[in-house]
Amino acid sequence: DAKTTQPPSMDCAEGRAANLPCNHSTISGNEYVYWYRQIHSQGPQYIIHGLKNNETNEMASLIITEDRKSSTLILPHATLRDTAVYYCIVRVGRGAGSYQLTFGKGTKLSVIP
Amino acid sequence: GAGVSQSPSNKVTEKGKDVELRCDPISGHTALYWYRQSLGQGLEFLIYFQGNSAPDKSGLPSDRFSAERTGGSVSTLTIQRTQQEDSAVYLCASSLRGENKRTNEKLFFGSGTQLSVL
Repeated sequence: DAKTTQPPSMDCAEGRAANLPCNHSTISGNEYVYWYRQIHSQGPQYIIHGLKNNETNEMASLIITEDRKSSTLILPHATLRDTAVYYCIVRVGRGAGSYQLTFGKGTKLSVIP
Repeated sequence: GAGVSQSPSNKVTEKGKDVELRCDPISGHTALYWYRQSLGQGLEFLIYFQGNSAPDKSGLPSDRFSAERTGGSVSTLTIQRTQQEDSAVYLCASSLRGENKRTNEKLFFGSGTQLSVL
């Protein structure tokens, strides 16, 4: 029970912005939205997380809708090295259960030259 | 080391044999996690350690699976009497302080151990 819904796959042209959607309509008020990605044959890598405000770091931007029922991860200038499976996860911030990330099947992003 | 280290990177074993998988977390990280990833599937939580204790073992799929952590550092996941359905990538992760000490911690994952049971 991943609590999130993502498209199974997406393509993006190299150099373009990649916009990866995620639905989390049952998110609770104390749950954060996290994004991880997994490049082939590697362990997952943290990208970004947020509660209700939009967030940006050196890797990506996270846009969360006002009702918090969906979000979009934006890779502003996709490169071939961004080809990976991207996981959207909801998780409580602290306390019981906060240790457990529930990974769904994610979105397989293919960046095309 | 700089990251989470797992060994071996690949393990091939015969059905019925026992295997041990090792995880060296990032130095100073008190929380350690084991996950399993079967071919084409998402990650499945197995167990979480806070220091040397495991508050939650509910993800372990059967009593053939066990894990321990010593000295608040290295962890070993043991699978007894392996079965073919145990074949998967076993991933270890660590984080600095765990669930009650700090919010919104990042988990740092190792590259995993690919276990193949013939």
